[in-house]
Amino acid sequence: DAKTTQPTSMDCAEGRAANLPCNHSTISGNEYVYWYRQIHSQGPQYIIHGLKNNETNEMASLIITEDRKSSTLILPHATLRDTAVYYCIVRPLNSGNTPLVFGKGTRLSVIA
Amino acid sequence: DAGITQSPRHKVTETGTPVTLRCHQTENHRYMYWYRQDPGHGLRLIHYSYGVKDTDKGEVSDGYSVSRSKTEDFLLTLESATSSQTSVYFCAISPTGNEKLFFGSGTQLSVL
Repeated sequence: DAKTTQPTSMDCAEGRAANLPCNHSTISGNEYVYWYRQIHSQGPQYIIHGLKNNETNEMASLIITEDRKSSTLILPHATLRDTAVYYCIVRPLNSGNTPLVFGKGTRLSVIA
Repeated sequence: DAGITQSPRHKVTETGTPVTLRCHQTENHRYMYWYRQDPGHGLRLIHYSYGVKDTDKGEVSDGYSVSRSKTEDFLLTLESATSSQTSVYFCAISPTGNEKLFFGSGTQLSVL
C-alpha cells in the first residue's frame, strides 16, 4: 500500500513554478522520499529523491519539511512537456528486495 | 530508455492462449521488475527478480509466471490469457534495488 497522499490533479501556467505536495506522515527514519513522473503512454521516469535535506538536480528541487512528514516537488519553470502524472513514494534506503509501490499520483496539467 | 527493450510493443491475442512478454536489458543491472498499469489502478507490481533464477511475487501475481535464466532477460508468461489481463505492461531495471528504477516503453496487450 502506498504510504503517501497526493492531490489528484493540479494545473500550472507555463513558465511558472509547479509545486507538487506530498504527505507522508508515517514515514520512518530510514525511508527516503522518491519522485517519479509518467508522461502519457511512456514508462515512469525517475526525477529525484532525498532523505531529509533539500535536494536539487537538473530536473527539479525537492523540499522536505523538518519533521519529514511532507515534501514538495518543485519544477521551477514548467513547460508543456512537464504535463504528466507525478508519483511520490517513500521507501527504505536498504530495502533490498522491497520494490517500489506506486500510488495514484498527481496529474499535473501545464497550461499555455 | 537506459538500455531496456520490451517486446513485443503491441500484441493482440485470444482468451486461453499462452503469451510471453520479453524484457531485455544491456545495463547488467541485477534487479528487474514487471508492472502492469490499468486505468484507475495505477502501476501494480506483478513479479520481480533480484538475480538470475531469483524471483519473487508482487501484489498481482496470480495468472502470471516469470523466468530469468540470464542477467539480461526477464520473461513474463501468461499461461492462459484472460480478458482481465488486458493491460499495459512495463518492465523496469535497477542496479541494486535501492536506487532509482529505469522503465521500458511498455507493451500494450489486448486479450479478446
